[in-house]
Amino acid sequence: EIVLTQSPGTLSLSPGDRATLSCRTSQSVSTSNHLAWYQQIPGQAPRLLIYAVSSRATGIPDRFIGSGSGTDFTLTISRLEPEDFAVYYCHQYDRSPPRYIFGQGTSLEIK
Amino acid sequence: QVQLQESGPGLVKPSGTLSLTCAVSGDSISSDNWWTWVRQPPGKGLEWIGEIHHTGSPHYNPSLRSRVTISTDKSKNQFSVVLTSVTAADTAVYFCARGGDPAYSLAYWGQGTLVTVSS
Repeated sequence: EIVLTQSPGTLSLSPGDRATLSCRTSQSVSTSNHLAWYQQIPGQAPRLLIYAVSSRATGIPDRFIGSGSGTDFTLTISRLEPEDFAVYYCHQYDRSPPRYIFGQGTSLEIK
Repeated sequence: QVQLQESGPGLVKPSGTLSLTCAVSGDSISSDNWWTWVRQPPGKGLEWIGEIHHTGSPHYNPSLRSRVTISTDKSKNQFSVVLTSVTAADTAVYFCARGGDPAYSLAYWGQGTLVTVSS
């Protein structure tokens, strides 16, 4: 069974800082480019930030940068804004068998 | 603009059946997308329940496969999830979402609905 492991579990930073969030899959999957990142503010639905590893979704600021390949992926927020403090999930789609897999999340909190 | 809205009972008794519907606007259930259910227990992470395409068989999370059914209603442009034999562990916020485009991501989500399993 494929597992997505996000690190760190919690990240404490200040506005203006650079945030680096990691997502590692336990094995290379058949559709490694189907890696996405979501932001979730408490009480709200997740919001798609990044799809296909590095493409920004509509309306997402360019301070959100996705990168990686194979089993290691990264979401970088180049300069944190107050509204960026939330929980972030990575998400992989695997075709064999068809399924979506989520990481356990990284909580980005204000230091 | 694609919009999704969940509806259904907020309270289900243990061993009972959970049934939720997702109404879709701004897109057709018959479009080339996967209509998806995701849930989130209080204070925990996201769990994929399953998905359905209007042309094919649904796909389910193996851990729920024996208890879950996802279906579409083209006449009402909506899709549904049914989960049987529920326990307290099924208490969660249930989200519906549209998957497939782009790149099998979940670009559109409903606001979510809390379902509590309790007697």
